[in-house]
Amino acid sequence: NAGVTQTPKFRILKIGQSMTLQCTQDMNHNYMYWYRQDPGMGLKLIYYSVGAGITDKGEVPNGYNVSRSTTEDFPLRLELAAPSQTSVYFCASSFNSASGGGETQYFGPGTRLLVL
Amino acid sequence: AQSVAQPEDQVNVAEGNPLTVKCTYSVSGNPYLFWYVQYPNRGLQFLLKYITGDNLVKGSYGFEAEFNKSQTSFHLKKPSALVSDSALYFCAVRGGFMDSNYQLIWGAGTKLIIKP
Repeated sequence: NAGVTQTPKFRILKIGQSMTLQCTQDMNHNYMYWYRQDPGMGLKLIYYSVGAGITDKGEVPNGYNVSRSTTEDFPLRLELAAPSQTSVYFCASSFNSASGGGETQYFGPGTRLLVL
Repeated sequence: AQSVAQPEDQVNVAEGNPLTVKCTYSVSGNPYLFWYVQYPNRGLQFLLKYITGDNLVKGSYGFEAEFNKSQTSFHLKKPSALVSDSALYFCAVRGGFMDSNYQLIWGAGTKLIIKP
């Protein structure tokens, strides 16, 4: 049971380049999330998914896209990289029931992205 | 609007002394409250959560937190600090079912330094 895995661990992009951050979970969780972490700012939610085929915007979705074709995978796409997207990106997952709200989120190790 | 405040950017404690990391929140309805810890270059790890019931919640690594509804606080505590407790601690909150959609609101984080 690997939990939540993310690739790559670190990447340098040039302005205008594109890339996909990969995220996979093996816990059969229905919810998955993408966050970015900037120094002194806590975590900001980019996108989330409540199940395969269903995604929705979080607090800071501009410049990003996601898809969820399977329960396990939730890739994050950056189409035109900008310096403002320099950050550490975390993927997380949780199992949320209809009557819940207190479900624990499990995090991957993160991807450090530098846009120059 | 939902919000979380961690009023201290950094807390310094001598090893063996008790520690407190503060968190206050603002949500509508009954809150779901969480504490996570982040070690350097790692993802976030779940420590404990308050959903309902006893105001004193016990979690991993000897940590506990007390929910205080009148003061809208959820401070993290440990009776005797260890050097290995040095890390970045995040408080997070989710409001009642009318708020968001399982989206957590995160504090900015508090850096805990335990000195030998």
